[in-house]
Amino acid sequence: EIVLTQSPGTLSLSPGERATLSCRASQSVTSTYLAWYQQTPGQAPRLLIFGASIRATGIPDRFSGSGSGTDFTLTISRLEPEDFAVYYCQQYGSSPWTFGQGTKVEVK
Amino acid sequence: QVQLVQSGAEVKKPGSSVKVSCRASGGTAGTYAIAWVRQAPGQGLQWMGGVIPMSGITDYEQKFQDRVTITADKSTSTVFMELSSLTSGDTAVYYCARDGGASYSAFFGYFDFWGHGTLVTVSS
Repeated sequence: EIVLTQSPGTLSLSPGERATLSCRASQSVTSTYLAWYQQTPGQAPRLLIFGASIRATGIPDRFSGSGSGTDFTLTISRLEPEDFAVYYCQQYGSSPWTFGQGTKVEVK
Repeated sequence: QVQLVQSGAEVKKPGSSVKVSCRASGGTAGTYAIAWVRQAPGQGLQWMGGVIPMSGITDYEQKFQDRVTITADKSTSTVFMELSSLTSGDTAVYYCARDGGASYSAFFGYFDFWGHGTLVTVSS
């Protein structure tokens, strides 16, 4: 199975700052089948990005995804108060679908 | 608007089974695969498997292969996940989630709508 490693574990930033989250795969992800989700406490995950760079419906354009092969990045251009949450990457190019362990973006 | 409504919280004894339901409404609810993803307390997300209701095709994470059964009732747009031989390690919130694309025969593998989650507690 493909293991996804996210870094950093925690990112401490202030509102308005730029956040850069990394997701590295143990082997190449087929056809950029990589998604990103946001989860706030007590809530279900929310799809942000699929296909490595395609924003899901209703997702603000401050969220962007990039990467291919084994290295992927989620960037939040300017953090809004509602963006402080845990972010997960997920690969769906090879079953079993797997998730990274998450990156927490917290208020500095 | 697509909604996935899950059954309520469960408390189970070790060695028993649990069956959680997920009813889809809105949009073309019955034409999308539904997956199950669990999250242990304070932990990350783990895909368990899924079903394509239109065809009955299933796919399971091998780690759960012998213990999980996912079925669909097309008439009520409801998907069920049954997990057997429960241990304390199965204590988690179980989410159903809609697959990102509509297909009769294949899973897309990412999840665009999620249920609210069902807490399953396994305790003696």
